[in-house]
Amino acid sequence: GESVGLHLPTLSVQEGDNSIINCAYSNSASDYFIWYKQESGKGPQFIIDIRSNMDKRQGQRVTVLLNKTVKHLSLQIAATQPGDSAVYFCAETQAGTALIFGKGTTLSVSS
Amino acid sequence: GAVVSQHPSRVICKSGTSVKIECRSLDFQATTMFWYRQFPKKSLMLMATSNEGSKATYEQGVEKDKFLINHASLTLSTLTVTSAHPEDSSFYICSARLQGSNTEAFFGQGTRLTVV
Repeated sequence: GESVGLHLPTLSVQEGDNSIINCAYSNSASDYFIWYKQESGKGPQFIIDIRSNMDKRQGQRVTVLLNKTVKHLSLQIAATQPGDSAVYFCAETQAGTALIFGKGTTLSVSS
Repeated sequence: GAVVSQHPSRVICKSGTSVKIECRSLDFQATTMFWYRQFPKKSLMLMATSNEGSKATYEQGVEKDKFLINHASLTLSTLTVTSAHPEDSSFYICSARLQGSNTEAFFGQGTRLTVV
């Protein structure tokens, strides 16, 4: 079964709002986590990653938070834009093994 | 970042025929590639891990005789769907990681297979 899951299947926000997408993982041995964005009919696109020795990492308009105590991962998107509309997946892995994906959250941004 | 090219992007085939999907790492060597399958509105499901020069490792429930994987070089892995049936229709995606590293996986653009 899947070891990574998202709390909400869909999230609708207004343009300019901040978005928070959550993910829970169950494998405490996972040491590397990635957020991907997938647009319809395309392969996953890397957004941001974080290693288990960190609890926060920031990119351009995106921040990933990792809480190992409760095995929780979140993706924060600042000033969400219509182009951010897509399905977002978290994925986990350990020691170079295959990525295991969560269920995905569909983000819809209205202008 | 590194580029993974997948071909074809879309294929329609008749029931009973076989279809080959190619996955190439264009600017790096990948001793290991991964094949995923994705149903509409669902997540990516790992099918198998493709190892260069050796047999692929299949996930539980994936038929190795149905989904033949060959990883003959450090830049190419192929997935052949044999004797395809309509239920094999799906989106197939490959990925590869930089050799010897625990870093992000790079994904191909996916192949939409429709079996009629």
